[in-house]
Amino acid sequence: GAGVSQSPSNKVTEKGKDVELRCDPISGHTALYWYRQSLGQGLEFLIYFQGNSAPDKSGLPSDRFSAERTGGSVSTLTIQRTQQEDSAVYLCASSLGGGVGNEQFFGPGTRLTVL
Amino acid sequence: AQSVSQHNHHVILSEAASLELGCNYSYGGTVNLFWYVQYPGQHLQLLLKYFSGDPLVKGIKGFEAEFIKSKFSFNLRKPSVQWSDTAEYFCAVTLSGTYKYIFGTGTRLKVLA
Repeated sequence: GAGVSQSPSNKVTEKGKDVELRCDPISGHTALYWYRQSLGQGLEFLIYFQGNSAPDKSGLPSDRFSAERTGGSVSTLTIQRTQQEDSAVYLCASSLGGGVGNEQFFGPGTRLTVL
Repeated sequence: AQSVSQHNHHVILSEAASLELGCNYSYGGTVNLFWYVQYPGQHLQLLLKYFSGDPLVKGIKGFEAEFIKSKFSFNLRKPSVQWSDTAEYFCAVTLSGTYKYIFGTGTRLKVLA
């Protein structure tokens, strides 16, 4: 079956512009995660959605970052007024449920470059 | 704050050499442990995981990892690496009862043919 997909695969934007990154999780997966991978850094947790529960936004680095998940499926991560330090690979993952025993399946990521 | 340390950032080995990648975490409670691998141009994928039971965990492609609670470690091993093992390896921890993964910074492994 289809895995987690993300679009675009690459995004180059100018400082100050807004960007939207999209994630399509595996069908039937109720949990969805966003991570950021900066050069030389590990994966940094950003936000977590589980079913209809309120998302855990504790990892969002600033109020310029927001995310939504419509209909319990597709998710969009929005970065407003992008800064150069936002340049990174943004990874999305989904799992069958939010429990610890559920393996996370990762998408290919979106490489964001802010000039 | 909880953290995961991978001390080896870059490792270069010849084929057939043995591999051990270190992973240490800082948390005194019950944890669940994972190794993920990212081959060049591919997605992150699960290599192996430990939740409970036998502390020696077998994964795919001949990898294994040993959970040593007293050392807060979960080192990844492979007796004989192949060129195709060239990849970046990430250790991750979740605290028992939570879903939030804490990842290490990764180790880039290059295997010379």
